[in-house]
Amino acid sequence: QVQLLASGPGLVEPSQTLSLTCTVSGDSISSGSFYWSWIRQHPQRGLEWIGYVYKSGATYDNPSLKSRLRISIDTSRNQFSLKLRSVSDADTAVYFCARDRGIDGPMGAFDVWGLGTMVTVSS
Amino acid sequence: EIQMTQSPSSLPASVGDRVIITCRASQNIRRFLNWYQHRPGKAPKLLIYGASTLQSGVPSRFSGSGSGTEFTLTINSLQPEDFATYFCQQSYSSPPYTFGQGTKLEIK
Repeated sequence: QVQLLASGPGLVEPSQTLSLTCTVSGDSISSGSFYWSWIRQHPQRGLEWIGYVYKSGATYDNPSLKSRLRISIDTSRNQFSLKLRSVSDADTAVYFCARDRGIDGPMGAFDVWGLGTMVTVSS
Repeated sequence: EIQMTQSPSSLPASVGDRVIITCRASQNIRRFLNWYQHRPGKAPKLLIYGASTLQSGVPSRFSGSGSGTEFTLTINSLQPEDFATYFCQQSYSSPPYTFGQGTKLEIK
């Protein structure tokens, strides 16, 4: 059974870079044809899709974050990562990593999620 | 960007009830609509994809319908574990994928 675990600092100072890693267990991240996403939930607000990465390293970013965002994958560690530069209070959220259930390309339906990790932007 | 609007935002109900949650898209998304359940402290769970296809392992009391801009999630015979927040999400065409603001199903 595939499981995802997001990890990283819970507190980031304004203007700094938020870095998170999602560790995949129960299957090799490079053996299938899945797309791996980051999604966040702002306090008192809904969910926001951040972007995805494929095992090849190809990514698709949410245009609203694209200028600050870098999503990458490390198949040797079975992990994928998120870096968000120049953070502000608006980036305070619970960050989830998730797997897209599509096999022949992204479906945009996420069948495996991690628990999420809370990140607060504050000095 | 496609906007998703759910109603109601809060829904009081009792065990055994049948409830319906509605999701509206700001444009035609055909049947590219997914539903999730999120319990506090748990990972979100995919319930339905493609508007009406039940994800493997999801109980049959959950069902989805709709196409175009209007969709519904129906839960028959509510069970105690069903009290959670439900989100719709569109996956039409290219990203960004967008979510509804959520419906909190509460015990009456």
